[in-house]
Amino acid sequence: AQRVTQPEKLLSVFKGAPVELKCNYSYSGSPELFWYVQYSRQRLQLLLRHISRESIKGFTADLNKGETSFHLKKPFAQEEDSAMYYCALRGITGTASKLTFGTGTRLQVTL
Amino acid sequence: GAGVSQSPSNKVTEKGKDVELRCDPISGHTALYWYRQSLGQGLEFLIYFQGNSAPDKSGLPSDRFSAERTGGSVSTLTIQRTQQEDSAVYLCASSSVGDTQYFGPGTRLTVL
Repeated sequence: AQRVTQPEKLLSVFKGAPVELKCNYSYSGSPELFWYVQYSRQRLQLLLRHISRESIKGFTADLNKGETSFHLKKPFAQEEDSAMYYCALRGITGTASKLTFGTGTRLQVTL
Repeated sequence: GAGVSQSPSNKVTEKGKDVELRCDPISGHTALYWYRQSLGQGLEFLIYFQGNSAPDKSGLPSDRFSAERTGGSVSTLTIQRTQQEDSAVYLCASSSVGDTQYFGPGTRLTVL
């Protein structure tokens, strides 16, 4: 079975403060990890995936297989980062193309 | 090009009625997925199509739920004899095989 856990429903930070959105996963094989973001009144969109090792909008995430974590980080939060963030896992064996999502964390950046 | 589109955007129905939700994937995407977003539940996988066949239907919650895809393009999710617990936002996504999933805007279903 595969599971994604996002322990925080809401994370409130001040503009300019560092951000860390936590994500832990459970999967018996080698997973592919993603962060998706949903801004207000917009559709769900990919923010980043671990195999790309990119920084998107200042966000980074490193896959830690020892701790089974894929935390999302940004050094300085901006107001426009306020959104719902979902961590997701995709198994890479067989027909396991579905995404398993966490329950999401709402990031609120205030002045 | 155009992204994934879904219709209707909102659907209100009475308990016991059947509903059909439609998804138009991105042109050329062979994989199509349905997910459900319920309050407090996050996003749950329902079914996955590769072409017109569905190798993974494991997320369909009951036999009242079915889906089909024709011509390797448009997909319809049908819920028969709707119940109040079916109220949710139904999301469709499409991708090239093994690639990023692109999501539609969703259909908000309310069962009274």
